[in-house]
Amino acid sequence: AQSVTQLGSHVSVSEGALVLLRCNYSSSVPPYLFWYVQYPNQGLQLLLKYTSAATLVKGINGFEAEFKKSETSFHLTKPSAHMSDAAEYFCAVTISSNTGKLIFGQGTTLQVKP
Amino acid sequence: KAGVTQTPRYLIKTRGQQVTLSCSPISGHRSVSWYQQTPGQGLQFLFEYFSETQRNKGNFPGRFSGRQFSNSRSEMNVSTLELGDSALYLCASSIFQGQGPTDTQYFGPGTRLTVL
Repeated sequence: AQSVTQLGSHVSVSEGALVLLRCNYSSSVPPYLFWYVQYPNQGLQLLLKYTSAATLVKGINGFEAEFKKSETSFHLTKPSAHMSDAAEYFCAVTISSNTGKLIFGQGTTLQVKP
Repeated sequence: KAGVTQTPRYLIKTRGQQVTLSCSPISGHRSVSWYQQTPGQGLQFLFEYFSETQRNKGNFPGRFSGRQFSNSRSEMNVSTLELGDSALYLCASSIFQGQGPTDTQYFGPGTRLTVL
């Protein structure tokens, strides 16, 4: 069965610093991986997705993630944090080609300090 | 193009009551999925509908049910509400052109259900 583990429920960085949010997956077959962001009182917005086309995936708002099969990881990074990046971030996985069902990690709250 | 809309946005019910939540997908989208979000359990998949048929179901009791109409709008119903059903219920839609999970899922703002 697929699963996703996000390391660190809370991450705090200073404005302008590197953002690194960790995600490891467990899957017996090649997965499809996603990062979503949720701002307070809002739904989820897709940041980026890995669908096996390229291991380095670029998303919106300057975020990117690299799929590393050997490490079963899909960490999210951004070179320079902005105050507006403060939100909750979710990593998700699916393996079925016949469904949109997503398995989510527990989420990581990103705090950006001025 | 309008996004996914969910009504109502906030709802307060008492234990034992039932509730119906509505989701209108983005125009042209045929797949609708529902998720429950709670602080303790996180985001959990409830069910998915495609062309009025339930395609997948999560691990929730039978009190949770849903349906999809011919215009792709979807409703979910929770009967005999329990305190633990208090959550944010999110709906997501996708165009589902047969590319499966590569199709982007667009989420609505959610319905915040409080059970007293």
